Amino acid sequence: QSVLTQPPSASGAPGQRVTISCSGSSSNIGSNAVNWYQQLPGTAPKLLIYINNLRPSGVPDRFSGSKSGTSASLAISGLQSEDEADYYCAAWDDSPNAYNYVFGSGTKVTVL
Amino acid sequence: QVQLVQSGAEVKKPGASVKVSCKTSGYTFTSYAMHWVRQAPGQRLEWMGWINVGNGYTKYAQKFQGRVTITRDTYTSTAYMEMSSLRPEDTAVYYCARSNMGDYWGQGTLVTVPS
Repeated sequence: QSVLTQPPSASGAPGQRVTISCSGSSSNIGSNAVNWYQQLPGTAPKLLIYINNLRPSGVPDRFSGSKSGTSASLAISGLQSEDEADYYCAAWDDSPNAYNYVFGSGTKVTVL
Repeated sequence: QVQLVQSGAEVKKPGASVKVSCKTSGYTFTSYAMHWVRQAPGQRLEWMGWINVGNGYTKYAQKFQGRVTITRDTYTSTAYMEMSSLRPEDTAVYYCARSNMGDYWGQGTLVTVPS
């Protein structure tokens, strides 16, 4: 099963900007939209960004997403303590005989 | 408001089966797909499969093909995920998630398979 690669951790002081990368391939990010999820400790994931750069209602505009080629990124500006969580990227993968929704390895964001 | 409420935690012996339910409310059940995702302790999210709630079509991740069955009951607006031949490595929290983007998630169901 294909997977997407993320850095295991990222950190920043309150108010700073943090960027998380997500690297894939032509069969997933290269040809499909990317979604991002936030998972607070002990809770279910929450949709944070969909179709590369759209925010669901209620998600602060401090969160933004982008995609270029086979990579995507999530930016958190004006970092706040409540942003401390695990973040996952995801995309559909069109590999032959293995049409899957693949998740990234996850990035733990720490607010210093 | 949209709600997905899952059944409670389960402890199963190796080789047994488990069936997790996901009861929905607050939207038209047949208008959205339902996906199942699991997360082993300390691990990444792992997609298992999905069901077109309107027509019952299902698609499974290759890893779970033949061992997982996803169904739905349109009268009770409930989706189900059944996994057979359980192994200790199936110990995980299992989530249902609405739509192809996972815009709403259930609270998760812990399934424990002791070794």
